[in-house]
Amino acid sequence: AQTVTQSQPEMSVQEAETVTLSCTYDTSESDYYLFWYKQPPSRQMILVIRQEAYKQQNATENRFSVNFQKAAKSFSLKISDSQLGDAAMYFCAYGEETSGSRLTFGEGTQLTVNP
Amino acid sequence: GAVVSQHPSRVICKSGTSVKIECRSLDFQATTMFWYRQFPKQSLMLMATSNEGSKATYEQGVEKDKFLINHASLTLSTLTVTSAHPEDSSFYICSALKGQRFYNEQFFGPGTRLTVL
Repeated sequence: AQTVTQSQPEMSVQEAETVTLSCTYDTSESDYYLFWYKQPPSRQMILVIRQEAYKQQNATENRFSVNFQKAAKSFSLKISDSQLGDAAMYFCAYGEETSGSRLTFGEGTQLTVNP
Repeated sequence: GAVVSQHPSRVICKSGTSVKIECRSLDFQATTMFWYRQFPKQSLMLMATSNEGSKATYEQGVEKDKFLINHASLTLSTLTVTSAHPEDSSFYICSALKGQRFYNEQFFGPGTRLTVL
């Protein structure tokens, strides 16, 4: 079974600074997708960024970018110019089309942004 | 974007009663919906996959007779917690898959907090 590991239960960053959240996963598949989701205090899950494993280019979405290392099975999220609204729980997730789009989530990283 | 709603947002019930939670895709049709459970300060655990017009597929360890799922239309899936007990108290989240292909995004509902007294 696929597993997703987030080794940082908590992280903090100063406003306007950059922070990187780590995620590793285990799979024997070659075709899969990786996601970062944000869960603010409202508990509403919000997709931050998505990476297709077959793409070598790292995904970016405005201030959010990933460092996807397929051989190392690593998928980190970099948040640049951190804002107070970035404070939330961040979940890394793994999915495969062959498994019916089911997602496996990591344990989460609680990000605090200090003013 | 796409909106998924859940109703109710909060529910408190007595032990032994059944509770139904609705998940609706408001502006798109969803052949597939998912139900997750989240304990405080923990991750989301997939409970089951709900497919319109067919039986739900449950994850290992999830009691299908305890958590009844019905996906009767392309916009509505329901989760019924039968004979609820305090250990069933949790945050339940649904998501709906927009489109037939996986690379289309899963859209999440706002969640339902269930408290069983």
